[in-house]
Amino acid sequence: QSALTQPASVSGSPGQSITISCTGTSSDVGSYNLVSWYQQHPGKAPKLIIYEGSKRPSGVSTRFSGSKSGNTASLTISGLQAEDEADYYCCSYAGSSTFVVFGRGTKLTVL
Amino acid sequence: QVTLRESGPALVKPTQTLTLTCTFSGFSLGTTGMCVSWIRQSPGKALEWLARIDWDDDKYYSTSLKTRLAISKDTSKNQVVLTMTNMDPVDTATYYCARIQYRGSYYDAFDIWGQGTMVTVSS
Repeated sequence: QSALTQPASVSGSPGQSITISCTGTSSDVGSYNLVSWYQQHPGKAPKLIIYEGSKRPSGVSTRFSGSKSGNTASLTISGLQAEDEADYYCCSYAGSSTFVVFGRGTKLTVL
Repeated sequence: QVTLRESGPALVKPTQTLTLTCTFSGFSLGTTGMCVSWIRQSPGKALEWLARIDWDDDKYYSTSLKTRLAISKDTSKNQVVLTMTNMDPVDTATYYCARIQYRGSYYDAFDIWGQGTMVTVSS
């Protein structure tokens, strides 16, 4: 099972919006509404910010939103803040044998 | 409050067996739907799912690593143990345990993670 495809890096200025794409296949992203997104600051554990494609856990800012179209999921961060600078990983359920597949990660730089 | 904490050796030699323990609180693996997974991250690399153990003691492994992995649980101690045999320098990584829940027809996301434990494989 190949990793999901994410851009290596994205950047934006404070206050702007950015979108990170996550492209899979019809065996993972395209087949299930079970994409999750994780934020990871340097030296820290990943933190769940989006689950089931578009749901936010309690306590996660409404500036984070998720969506999906076909085999591609997307994470949008609006009103960029300096604290959003981190690595972001997508993850999709991929069936009972593979279970899940992660993306390679996207480094977000807030200019 | 749900917490997980990984423990194990920081350094192992090539060909040795690695044993990692995940000690958790705030939930029980005796509760229907509760599951714990191990995930690793090599330096500068992406996350890689390794294994999962469910409340009913079902166990699942990464296809590429299944011959080297074994996962087990001690429900009374709130612990999950992962062993990985025949360690190699490419296995150098931070190893995380994380909770995931089965919602009746699907597995949800990894909602709570431990802080991770760094393992270096070197002679």
